[in-house]
Amino acid sequence: EDQVTQSPEALRLQEGESSSLNCSYTVSGLRGLFWYRQDPGKGPEFLFTLYSAGEEKEKERLKATLTKKESFLHITAPKPEDSATYLCAVQREDGNNRLAFGKGNQVVVIP
Amino acid sequence: GAGVSQSPRYKVAKRGQDVALRCDPISGHVSLFWYQQALGQGPEFLTYFQNEAQLDKSGLPSDRFFAERPEGSVSTLKIQRTQQEDSAVYLCASSLARDTGTSGRSPYNNEQFFGPGTRLTVL
Repeated sequence: EDQVTQSPEALRLQEGESSSLNCSYTVSGLRGLFWYRQDPGKGPEFLFTLYSAGEEKEKERLKATLTKKESFLHITAPKPEDSATYLCAVQREDGNNRLAFGKGNQVVVIP
Repeated sequence: GAGVSQSPRYKVAKRGQDVALRCDPISGHVSLFWYQQALGQGPEFLTYFQNEAQLDKSGLPSDRFFAERPEGSVSTLKIQRTQQEDSAVYLCASSLARDTGTSGRSPYNNEQFFGPGTRLTVL
């Protein structure tokens, strides 16, 4: 069974204080690893897809990296508008496109 | 263009009542997914359609849950005889990609785009 574990569950950062979120995964054959952002009362918003170990993708203050066992989402010099829950999900290579999500990293950036 | 839309946004039902939740995917998206998200948890897979075909319904928690997508576009998730444990946010997502099978990866158009969800409260 696919397992996705995100840590820390909750994180409070001062504005400008860079940090990293971790997503550890166990899956039999990874097709892709996805990062989403979710604001309260809204659906998840797509951020990145990573397909192979060593791959990196960036968007504004966010950078996602992937190894064979985990992914990191680095937040550089965060701003209050980066406050959200960040969800990690894996998709298997077995022909079904379903996503298996972790519980999320709840990030609060204090001005 | 327009994103995924869901209606109603909020639904309050009395225990035992039937409910129907609607999803309008992004136009042209082949794949459609339903997920259930409990408070403080990540979304959990319920079911998956490719066009009008329901290819995977292994995540549906009981036979009270039923989903359809008769014309390969709009989808409805129906819950019969609702119970308190059905209270959750129900998310719909659509994707341009179709299931590529085991022949290899399709690295493009694989992203799932989510609607705002329907918050169901069963009293």
